[in-house]
Amino acid sequence: QKEVEQNSGPLSVPEGAIASLNCTYSDRGSQSFFWYRQYSGKSPELIMSIYSNGDKEDGRFTAQLNKASQYVSLLIRDSQPSDSATYLCAVKGAGANNLFFGTGTRLTVIP
Amino acid sequence: EAQVTQNPRYLITVTGKKLTVTCSQNMNHEYMSWYRQDPGLGLRQIYYSMNVEVTDKGDVPEGYKVSRKEKRNFPLILESPSPNQTSLYFCASSTIGGNGYTFGSGTRLTVV
Repeated sequence: QKEVEQNSGPLSVPEGAIASLNCTYSDRGSQSFFWYRQYSGKSPELIMSIYSNGDKEDGRFTAQLNKASQYVSLLIRDSQPSDSATYLCAVKGAGANNLFFGTGTRLTVIP
Repeated sequence: EAQVTQNPRYLITVTGKKLTVTCSQNMNHEYMSWYRQDPGLGLRQIYYSMNVEVTDKGDVPEGYKVSRKEKRNFPLILESPSPNQTSLYFCASSTIGGNGYTFGSGTRLTVV
């Protein structure tokens, strides 16, 4: 069973701060990593994908991957109240199409 | 608009009464999947399909059935629903090897 672990939170940050969300995974063969944002009662929405070690930036979001440590993170700069949501980490193995999800971290950005 | 459409959005039913949740995608995706989401347990995969007539069990398949007769449709069938199947259900689709999934809007099912 592939395991994806996230701190469930809640994580609270003030508006304008950097929010840091972390995820670890158990399967060393995992090749693709995704961050989804889910507002309460809504469906998950893909915000970042990362496939190789290092950082990947997209606007205020930066995904970081360290395959040796089996660790992936998401940084949200200049956090806004609209960023308040649950963030899901998802992992896909090599040659597979199934995504395995963590339980999510609930982020609250305080105005 | 590219989308995954689930119906119904909300459903309250009684134990043992067969029901079907429909899922349809208009993106010509080969891969489709059903998940259930429960507090503290996250998204757990029920069944998935790699293409027409190709389906396989996920992590929590007990009590569910699926079929894939057409590429665009992937219905989830509960032959005899029980209260422990009360959950939020999501259908998702992607290309094979694609970059993440596109999710439907979800179906909130309550079995009493």
